[in-house]
Amino acid sequence: GNSVTQMEGPVTLSEEAFLTINCTYTATGYPSLFWYVQYPGEGLQLLLKATKADDKGSNKGFEATYRKETTSFHLEKGSVQVSDSAVYFCALSDRYSNYQLIWGAGTKLIIKP
Amino acid sequence: GAGVSQSPRYKVAKRGQDVALRCDPISGHVSLFWYQQALGQGPEFLTYFQNEAQLDKSGLPSDRFFAERPEGSVSTLKIQRTQQEDSAVYLCASSLGTGETQYFGPGTRLLVL
Repeated sequence: GNSVTQMEGPVTLSEEAFLTINCTYTATGYPSLFWYVQYPGEGLQLLLKATKADDKGSNKGFEATYRKETTSFHLEKGSVQVSDSAVYFCALSDRYSNYQLIWGAGTKLIIKP
Repeated sequence: GAGVSQSPRYKVAKRGQDVALRCDPISGHVSLFWYQQALGQGPEFLTYFQNEAQLDKSGLPSDRFFAERPEGSVSTLKIQRTQQEDSAVYLCASSLGTGETQYFGPGTRLLVL
């Protein structure tokens, strides 16, 4: 079945550092890929998505590229801020499973000033 | 417009009690999903509605779990005879249509003592 694996946290960085959070997936079809973010005390918010191979999703300075050949969707940001501290979830969905979201375990990101 | 709302936000139940969790989706959203999120984990799919029809309930962990959406809008997740392992955050998400972006509510945190 479909699955998502993302790097374990917590990831601790200094402000303005470069961020990469790895995400790889297993899927039988051609899924859509997502990054959701959960800020402290808040609900899950869609950060970015990509629906087909080589698509790049971007939002708030974050980017991720759908790589079919490596089945990956790594999240990157060039210069993180303290306000980026949150838990980041990688997820996929496809029509074979009624578009339910299949989630990674989440990566907690801590940015120190 | 308003986002997805859930009530109650917190619920403490004694083992063996029945609980009912409510979800108000975004107005006009056809699809509605329920997920369960254990502490420190990614969400896991429970069930999916398209309008009032429950099209997938494969994620419900036992027959103590029951969900309904009788008029194709508000949905209720009911857990009978709660057990300690039911303690989790229950998330509701809605989307405009099949395969569209899912928008999440704040969740209901259930603690079973």
